[in-house]
Amino acid sequence: GNSVTQMEGPVTLSEEAFLTINCTYTATGYPSLFWYVQYPGEGLQLLLKATKADDKGSNKGFEATYRKETTSFHLEKGSVQVSDSAVYFCALSDRGTALIFGKGTTLSVSS
Amino acid sequence: NAGVMQNPRHLVRRRGQEARLRCSPMKGHSHVYWYRQLPEEGLKFMVYLQKENIIDESGMPKERFSAEFPKEGPSILRIQQVVRGDSAAYFCASSAEQGKNTEAFFGQGTRLTVV
Repeated sequence: GNSVTQMEGPVTLSEEAFLTINCTYTATGYPSLFWYVQYPGEGLQLLLKATKADDKGSNKGFEATYRKETTSFHLEKGSVQVSDSAVYFCALSDRGTALIFGKGTTLSVSS
Repeated sequence: NAGVMQNPRHLVRRRGQEARLRCSPMKGHSHVYWYRQLPEEGLKFMVYLQKENIIDESGMPKERFSAEFPKEGPSILRIQQVVRGDSAAYFCASSAEQGKNTEAFFGQGTRLTVV
């Protein structure tokens, strides 16, 4: 079946450090891939998405490239801020009826 | 345009009681999804509904859980005879259409605590 695996957290960084959160997926079809962010006590917000191989999603300085050959969708940001502290979820949608999420990675950024 | 509204935000129930969670989708959205988030876990799909119809309930426990999305009013997730293992955050999402490229908008969730 379809699944998403993300790196275990927590990830602790200093402000302005480079961020990578790894995400790999297993899918029978050609899924769309997403990164969602959850701030404390809040729901999930879509951060970025990519709908086909080699697409790059980007938003608020975050980027992720849909790599079909490695079945990956790693999240990167060149310089993190304290306000980026949150839980990040990688997800896929294959048939369009529901999202399949990874377990989430907690990011903590200190000044 | 208000976002997805869930209420209550926090709900405490004793074992054996019923829990009712409400979700009003974004205006113009007719597709609703319910997810459950257990501590230290990602979100797990429970059920997908369109107006008056359950489309996919493959993630819903077979007993005690039910969902509806009536023609008028919010979607309701109902848990009967709650047990401690039902304690979790329940999130609702809505979308304007179905499709793997469609963005789903999430509510702030209802945090259910069973004591």
